[in-house]
Amino acid sequence: QKEVEQDPGPLSVPEGAIVSLNCTYSNSAFQYFMWYRQYSRKGPELLMYTYSSGNKEDGRFTAQVDKSSKYISLFIRDSQPSDSATYLCAMSRYGNKLVFGAGTILRVKS
Amino acid sequence: SAVISQKPSRDICQRGTSLTIQCQVDSQVTMMFWYRQQPGQSLTLIATANQGSEATYESGFVIDKFPISRPNLTFSTLTVSNMSPEDSSIYLCSVEKGGSDEQYFGPGTRLTVT
Repeated sequence: QKEVEQDPGPLSVPEGAIVSLNCTYSNSAFQYFMWYRQYSRKGPELLMYTYSSGNKEDGRFTAQVDKSSKYISLFIRDSQPSDSATYLCAMSRYGNKLVFGAGTILRVKS
Repeated sequence: SAVISQKPSRDICQRGTSLTIQCQVDSQVTMMFWYRQQPGQSLTLIATANQGSEATYESGFVIDKFPISRPNLTFSTLTVSNMSPEDSSIYLCSVEKGGSDEQYFGPGTRLTVT
């Protein structure tokens, strides 16, 4: 079993839809949770960073962490074609390496 | 955040040769990382490079194959040695800022070995 599980998709949605991207994990020691966006032929870009449980909002993006269920989510409101990319979740224990999910391919159709 | 550049952006190399990839950061950082991303796959950490000490390699990666230099706080190189087609991949460097495990990535080097 992988430490971090993420559905690779692809996930196709119409423009304006609310997108939900999810990861589950097995290591209860993870404390830091991140979401990266990676466009084709580019490096990953840090979107959201959260510590421990709870929600964090930044514009159209909301990151949610439920440590009791070992489940994290990224919600994208009013999705745009420019949101089409691969979204990678990543997590770590403090001072340890990041563990990445496989990435979910998102396609937003206009 | 951090502005990170990598050179070259892409290269096509013959098997048996070596390629050195450079990573430059716009500010001083303690920890730099090198990752490999194979086609359609997620990121795999190759090694962690701290200035002034030997790089720490992950399981499955060895110094003879992937020697790393870290001469100062803004620069690092990764060499892919004695290349084979299986080394065809994207190689990414990243840096950690603020001691919070946040990592920022460079644009990557796309390597094809023929």
